[in-house]
Amino acid sequence: GAVVSQHPSWVICKSGTSVKIECRSLDFQATTMFWYRQFPKQSLMLMATSNEGSKATYEQGVEKDKFLINHASLTLSTLTVTSAHPEDSSFYICSARDSLAGAKNIQYFGAGTRLSVL
Amino acid sequence: GENVEQHPSTLSVQEGDSAVIKCTYSDSASNYFPWYKQELGKGPQLIIDIRSNVGEKKDQRIAVTLNKTAKHFSLHITETQPEDSAVYFCAASILGNTGTASKLTFGTGTRLQVTL
Repeated sequence: GAVVSQHPSWVICKSGTSVKIECRSLDFQATTMFWYRQFPKQSLMLMATSNEGSKATYEQGVEKDKFLINHASLTLSTLTVTSAHPEDSSFYICSARDSLAGAKNIQYFGAGTRLSVL
Repeated sequence: GENVEQHPSTLSVQEGDSAVIKCTYSDSASNYFPWYKQELGKGPQLIIDIRSNVGEKKDQRIAVTLNKTAKHFSLHITETQPEDSAVYFCAASILGNTGTASKLTFGTGTRLQVTL
């Protein structure tokens, strides 16, 4: 099946620093990628929808200036958590929708990134 | 917007028994319903999906049923094995005729534990 690679899998950073997370579709093109946040024992909460070559669409309550999303190519989207604080500690997961199978709406997920802000 | 409820939140079954997880959705326009399995520390993996033009779909030990009238769909796992232990999420979205799709709305998850 299709593979979505997400890096890093785990990152620890100091408060006030920025962290970049990469999401790559390895064997398919993805015009649309999604970024989710997941707290322990909770469901996935959509943060933003990333479309290749255009600005991301953020969900209500998500600060676009804090969570910067770039989707510069059909296989790569990045999420940058700027000026991270302890409350930003969470599990971040990306997913990608196969462009060629767009009508099927199949979303493939990355393995997630666990962010710990000290 | 769409709201998806999922039950139970936890489920413990003995190896070999069947497990059933149920979800209800609110938006009658939703027509695509995937199920994801998430193991500890990993991202969700699609295990089966169903579209509103069918009432049931089966893939080996896994099956999904859909009742459009009642707006609920269920995941059935037969002959459960320890490796089936994970968190399972249902989701719903709308597929357009031109290939467009709305965002996935996830259920709250079910933690399945298969005991020996």
